[in-house]
Amino acid sequence: SQTIHQWPATLVQPVGSPLSLECTVEGTSNPNLYWYRQAAGRGLQLLFYSVGIGQISSEVPQNLSASRPQDRQFILSSKKLLLSDSGFYLCAWSPWGDRRSYGYTFGSGTRLTVV
Amino acid sequence: GQNIDQPTEMTATEGAIVQINCTYQTSGFNGLFWYQQHAGEAPTFLSYNVLDGLEEKGRFSSFLSRSKGYSYLLLKELQMKDSASYLCAVRDIGSGYALNFGKGTSLLVTP
Repeated sequence: SQTIHQWPATLVQPVGSPLSLECTVEGTSNPNLYWYRQAAGRGLQLLFYSVGIGQISSEVPQNLSASRPQDRQFILSSKKLLLSDSGFYLCAWSPWGDRRSYGYTFGSGTRLTVV
Repeated sequence: GQNIDQPTEMTATEGAIVQINCTYQTSGFNGLFWYQQHAGEAPTFLSYNVLDGLEEKGRFSSFLSRSKGYSYLLLKELQMKDSASYLCAVRDIGSGYALNFGKGTSLLVTP
């Protein structure tokens, strides 16, 4: 069966520090991978998606970047965090060319607080 | 791009029925989803519509009209545990089959 792992669960970082959040998927090959952010009182905002190794599409210009060094690994990074980067970060996956009737499978999320 | 609109907050009484509406605009429609999200947790799948009409799953039903860009989620026999945020999401072929979410409707169920 397929599983998705996301860590850490919570993170408190000072302004200007770097960030690295990791997400891995097991039990499937060539998944579509997604990073979302949910700021307080706001909806889920799509940040990046990837349909293959090294293929990253950005939906929103920002202080963040994403990379996919391996088929089932998706990393969200920042060189210098801003206060506005605080939020709940969710990784998700779906099969390539997904037309399933249940959409994504989400990771458990990372609560990032920038202080 | 997509514009997905849903009410910000709703309140309903335990045992009652509530309907949460969602309107959307999209160029590459490939399905409409409803997710439930409790505070501090990841969203969980509730329902899916790709053709017009009503889909029923126990206490939850979802309706879609593609020509009107309209969907609703119907929750019956409300329970206190149904207090959560309900997210409407549209899948778009043009963004790696990404789901684009509305801002969510916060539902409070009162005794």
